[in-house]
Amino acid sequence: SAVISQKPSRDICQRGTSLTIQCQVDSQVTMMFWYRQQPGQSLTLIATANQGSEATYESGFVIDKFPISRPNLTFSTLTVSNMSPEDSSIYLCSVESGGGSDTQYFGPGTRLTVL
Amino acid sequence: GENVEQHPSTLSVQEGDSAVIKCTYSDSASNYFPWYKQELGKRPQLIIDIRSNVGEKKDQRIAVTLNKTAKHFSLHITETQPEDSAVYFCAAISGGSYIPTFGRGTSLIVHP
Repeated sequence: SAVISQKPSRDICQRGTSLTIQCQVDSQVTMMFWYRQQPGQSLTLIATANQGSEATYESGFVIDKFPISRPNLTFSTLTVSNMSPEDSSIYLCSVESGGGSDTQYFGPGTRLTVL
Repeated sequence: GENVEQHPSTLSVQEGDSAVIKCTYSDSASNYFPWYKQELGKRPQLIIDIRSNVGEKKDQRIAVTLNKTAKHFSLHITETQPEDSAVYFCAAISGGSYIPTFGRGTSLIVHP
C-alpha cells in the first residue's frame, strides 16, 4: 500500500485564522480524499480532491470554508478557513489504492485544536 | 444514499473470548465491504475486506461474513488479545463509486 504522510501532525490555532494541511503520497494515485473525524465519532468525507479540476464537496461542506488543492498525483492540501472552536477535529487524507479496488488507505491525520 | 448501521457501539470481552461486530447496509448495489481498526491516536488501518461475490473470508484470528440477501456483514475476532482493543469501523461501497459509507464504530475493550 502507498505510504501517506501529513503535515502538520497537530496544531493549536486561534479562532478566525486559517490552517493548511498537506498530504503527500509516495506514489501516483488517482483518487485522494479528505475526511474529518470529530472526537469519538466516525469518519465524515469532506471532499474528493481531483487533479486538474475543482474538488467535489460532500453535502454540508463548501469550498470557501475548506479550499482544496491537488496540483499533481502525489500531493494535496486542505485549508480550514476562518476557524472556530467547532472546527477542532482530526483531519485525515486518504487515497484509493488503484486498479478499481475501492480500497482506501489513510494518512496519519492532523489533530487541530481551535481556541 | 447508502446507510450503514453498526452494533454494538461498545463491546467488552475477556482475553481469549471471541468478539463479533455486526453491520447492516441499505443499498443493494454495494459490493465491497472493508473493516478498519483504529487504535487511540492512530490512523484507521484496513484489517480485512470482502466483496459481494464471496460469503466469508478469513485471515488468522479475524474473519468477515457477508449475507447479501439480508444485507448484513459481520467481523469475527477469535482468541482476543489486549492489543485487539481499538475502535472498529465497517464500511460499504457501491461499485465504481470509491466513496465508502462508514458505520459509527465499535469500541472493543479486551480485558487481560
